[in-house]
Amino acid sequence: GAGVSQSPRYKVAKRGQDVALRCDPISGHVSLFWYQQALGQGPEFLTYFQNEAQLDKSGLPSDRFFAERPEGSVSTLKIQRTQQEDSAVYLCASSLGPDTGELFFGEGSRLTVL
Amino acid sequence: EDQVTQSPEALRLQEGESSSLNCSYTVSGLRGLFWYRQDPGKGPEFLFTLYSAGEEKEKERLKATLTKKESFLHITAPKPEDSATYLCAVTTQGGSEKLVFGKGTKLTVNP
Repeated sequence: GAGVSQSPRYKVAKRGQDVALRCDPISGHVSLFWYQQALGQGPEFLTYFQNEAQLDKSGLPSDRFFAERPEGSVSTLKIQRTQQEDSAVYLCASSLGPDTGELFFGEGSRLTVL
Repeated sequence: EDQVTQSPEALRLQEGESSSLNCSYTVSGLRGLFWYRQDPGKGPEFLFTLYSAGEEKEKERLKATLTKKESFLHITAPKPEDSATYLCAVTTQGGSEKLVFGKGTKLTVNP
């Protein structure tokens, strides 16, 4: 497709389970971002990749959160031992490259931890 | 710490009633200021980028302006389809490529 694709769109996990969220960026986009958005809040930065290199992971809230982009295209955000406070929408965005300004966002993966 | 504050949190307008949304920022050095629109259940959609004080950009009924401390998103003669949450974000000098977002302004335009 032409846009950023995220899967699954909805995920319900029991507390303590591991989850994996997938992001397919727009083809040819060098930069990829993950954001976390709680209800009624703006997106909060989690991590940033340029090709396969993770250049900024300062927003990851704990060592339970891990992201990878091994071939510089598809990215996976993994959350281990999920907690209720992890419930949020996880947004992926891509752009042509650094300093290009416009980010293209996917529709997000809504995670609910019971 | 870099901060972006948007006001008001929510705004209700009648169709055709013009108004402005505010985004004030406190950052170590501004590289760019961005406006996005977000519809329920969707990801944010890019509207504008502004880089320097005095800069203005327009798109249909929307006009964004930038000063050294804040940005305004002016909405002229809004229509119900302009109802959405409008998000402001900044990138900073010396930082990575990350956008720092405000909490957004939820705009409702009644017919």
